[in-house]
Amino acid sequence: DIQMTQSPSSLSASVGDRVTITCRASQTIDIYLNWYQQNPGKAPKLLIYSSSTLQSGVPSRFSGSGSGTDFTLTISSLQPEDFATYYCQQTYSTPWTFGQGTKVEI
Amino acid sequence: EVRLVESGGGLVQPGGSLRLSCAASGFTFSSHWMHWVRQAPGRGLVWISRISTDGRRTHYADSVMGRFTISRDNAKNTLYLEMNSVRAEDTAVYYCARDMIVGRAFDIWGQGTMVAVSS
Repeated sequence: DIQMTQSPSSLSASVGDRVTITCRASQTIDIYLNWYQQNPGKAPKLLIYSSSTLQSGVPSRFSGSGSGTDFTLTISSLQPEDFATYYCQQTYSTPWTFGQGTKVEI
Repeated sequence: EVRLVESGGGLVQPGGSLRLSCAASGFTFSSHWMHWVRQAPGRGLVWISRISTDGRRTHYADSVMGRFTISRDNAKNTLYLEMNSVRAEDTAVYYCARDMIVGRAFDIWGQGTMVAVSS
């Protein structure tokens, strides 16, 4: 199975901050990397797919980059509604594994 | 409105069985691969199974292989997960999710249904 490792596991930030979360795959996954946001008690929400494509309706302050094994999710200016947990997911090969999550706290 | 609604969760004893359902609406259900993902309390997301548009191809995580069965009824726009020989470690919120036609990601999720395995 492909292991996905996110860093950091948690971070503290303020409104307006630029936030970067990284995700590393244990083997190459081309660009088959997605990012999700999850608020407590809610279902995950797709933010970015295929490494860098913004899902419809997602604010442009979210961006993604990377290919191969190293990927990044960037929030250019953190907003109050962005305090949540973020997961990366590889869909290069089954099982489609997720990272352990990064909790963004105030 | 595009929507997925899970049902069927509850308390089940170890070794017991449960069937989860996921009712789809607002889109052409038969055009999408579908998935089940679970999340144990306080833990991360774990993909457990997927099924092709026609139901002929299925894949499972090792942790549920041989115990869980994914299926679908395109006439009823419903996805199922048959859970047998459940264990305490199967305790989780179970989400169904829609696979994008273009993009290989989960663009629509249900609200989740809780399964608790305990005696």
